[in-house]
Formats: sequence, C-alpha cells, structure tokens
Amino acid sequence: NAGVMQNPRHLVRRRGQEARLRCSPMKGHSHVYWYRQLPEEGLKFMVYLQKENIIDESGMPKERFSAEFPKEGPSILRIQQVVRGDSAAYFCASSYGGGTTNEKLFFGSGTQLSVL
Amino acid sequence: DAKTTQPNSMESNEEEPVHLPCNHSTISGTDYIHWYRQLPSQGPEYVIHGLTSNVNNRMASLAIAEDRKSSTLILHRATLRDAAVYYCILRSNDYKLSFGAGTTVTVRA
Repeated sequence: NAGVMQNPRHLVRRRGQEARLRCSPMKGHSHVYWYRQLPEEGLKFMVYLQKENIIDESGMPKERFSAEFPKEGPSILRIQQVVRGDSAAYFCASSYGGGTTNEKLFFGSGTQLSVL
Repeated sequence: DAKTTQPNSMESNEEEPVHLPCNHSTISGTDYIHWYRQLPSQGPEYVIHGLTSNVNNRMASLAIAEDRKSSTLILHRATLRDAAVYYCILRSNDYKLSFGAGTTVTVRA
C-alpha cells in the first residue's frame, strides 16, 4: 500500500509564475491536509479538505493560494504569481477519518518550492 | 490543540536510551498525547499516541504521568536513524495537528 505521494519533489519557479503541487492520499483516505514549513521554522497548517469540499482554510493566505481535492484525482495546492517568500517545503497529509483525537495523519515527503 | 513544552534539543549516544520529556499542564480529559518525528528532508512520521495508560510499539514507548500533565517518549536504543525533530502534540477534538518547535535529537556514533 503506497503512502502519501507528493509531486514534484522539487519545483523551481520564477517570480510571477504559477506553482502547482500535487498530493495523492493513501488508498482509502478521503481527508487531506496541507502544511507549509518555512526555512528554519515549524510546520504550519494551511488547509483541510475532504473529497470535493474545503473544510478549513484558515491557515492559507487569502490571496494567490487555493486548494482543491476533486472527486477523482489528486489534491492540488495552487500558488499563483509566486514571490520569494513562498519558498518553503509544502507537506501533504492524509487520514482515513477526520476530527477524532485518535486519528493518525500520514505525511508525504513534501515538495520543496524554490522561487527565483 | 493545547500547548506543550519540550526541550529544544537533546543528545544521545548510539545504542543508549533516549527519554524525551513533554509538559502539558493544561491537558483536558479527552486530549490524546501524540508524538510525531521529522527526519531531515522528510515529512513528519507518526511515532506513538496514548490517552492515560503507558503505550508500547515497535518504535518507542510512551510513559504518561498519572495526572497526565506530562509524558515521556522513550527510544529504547537510539540509532543514527533516530536523529530527528520530535514533536509532542495534544490532539483535542480538532482535525488538524498543531506542531510546536519540537525537540531536536542528535545521536552520536
């Protein structure tokens, strides 16, 4: 059973371009979470999605960032018009259920975004 | 998630046990204590979790104080592969994990 798959592993963009980060959850998992880790900082929650629904996007910047988790296919984190401050590691996690204290999250290896 | 306090760093020798403390004095009765670790250039990895009783799995043991205001993650025989940042997280009735700064564990060969 494959784990959480993220691609690409590394993504280089120039300022003003768009970045698309993909996350395929573990088989059978319908809950996806995105986290961002800036250099030398901790992981910060960005957004929580269930299939076709955004449940909580309180940690995601209001502008330029969007996320989706369609009925078919991977979850996508999209960053439009990237700036240097967007350079970070972006991690996706999935879980079978959500909102329970006993639930484990399974994380992918992350996408390292570098903005030139 | 309620707040936890961990030391910034700990060092250990290979093959020796490592005891990682975590204080969570404001824990509520329904909060689970979760531990995750993050190896260099990797995503976080689940280690162990518990509610009241001590827990053991193939990776580690979790000792929970009787009043639940503190806990200790125990790595029984540290290896170089255990060098990572270890996060102690209280999981309340909330879907998202809130990561603090964690404890950076260094293992000396």
